[in-house]
Amino acid sequence: DAKTTQPPSMDCAEGRAANLPCNHSTISGNEYVYWYRQIHSQGPQYIIHGLKNNETNEMASLIITEDRKSSTLILPHATLRDTAVYYCIVVSGYSTLTFGKGTMLLVSP
Amino acid sequence: GAVVSQHPSRVICKSGTSVKIECRSLDFQATTMFWYRQFPKQSLMLMATSNEGSKATYEQGVEKDKFLINHASLTLSTLTVTSAHPEDSSFYICSARDPGDTQYFGPGTRLTVL
Repeated sequence: DAKTTQPPSMDCAEGRAANLPCNHSTISGNEYVYWYRQIHSQGPQYIIHGLKNNETNEMASLIITEDRKSSTLILPHATLRDTAVYYCIVVSGYSTLTFGKGTMLLVSP
Repeated sequence: GAVVSQHPSRVICKSGTSVKIECRSLDFQATTMFWYRQFPKQSLMLMATSNEGSKATYEQGVEKDKFLINHASLTLSTLTVTSAHPEDSSFYICSARDPGDTQYFGPGTRLTVL
């Protein structure tokens, strides 16, 4: 599966949009982009995933560039409870998820 | 989203004893479940892949005789840590793959071996 690169940490003010970038320049045609987050001492929480089209659900939006080499997870109105480590993972079909170091997002009042 | 439960949420045991952790998919059937381990300030590491009705597949470096996995039904997988030692103390997390191939994770089990 393709490797991903994420910034180690980001800050965001409460109520503002949090835009978390992810680079996956070696992604192949059948690989999906998945986003999970892990709040301290809890299991990871599924957020969203996509193949090539932009996706939106009740938690977030996922913007994938046309060449699919990068993506951005958008939390439209960050709250303090969104403070967590966010993982961008590229995986195909039946492959297993490999967790990198992710981005530690700190939402401040 | 789909719900995966784990039991117990935390357990403390004496060195040399065995501990069983249960993982259940509550609202979907999962032919494949996964077991991860997470040490403090580190990322999740996959230990094994559990397939319903067949033997688990273990990652390199994970002792299959120490970490026994049973996936007897489409909604239940168990991990038994046998002859636990203090170095087995960790956060154990399971996940289940839904029919749409998305993995959902349990809340984790904190194991402390004294």
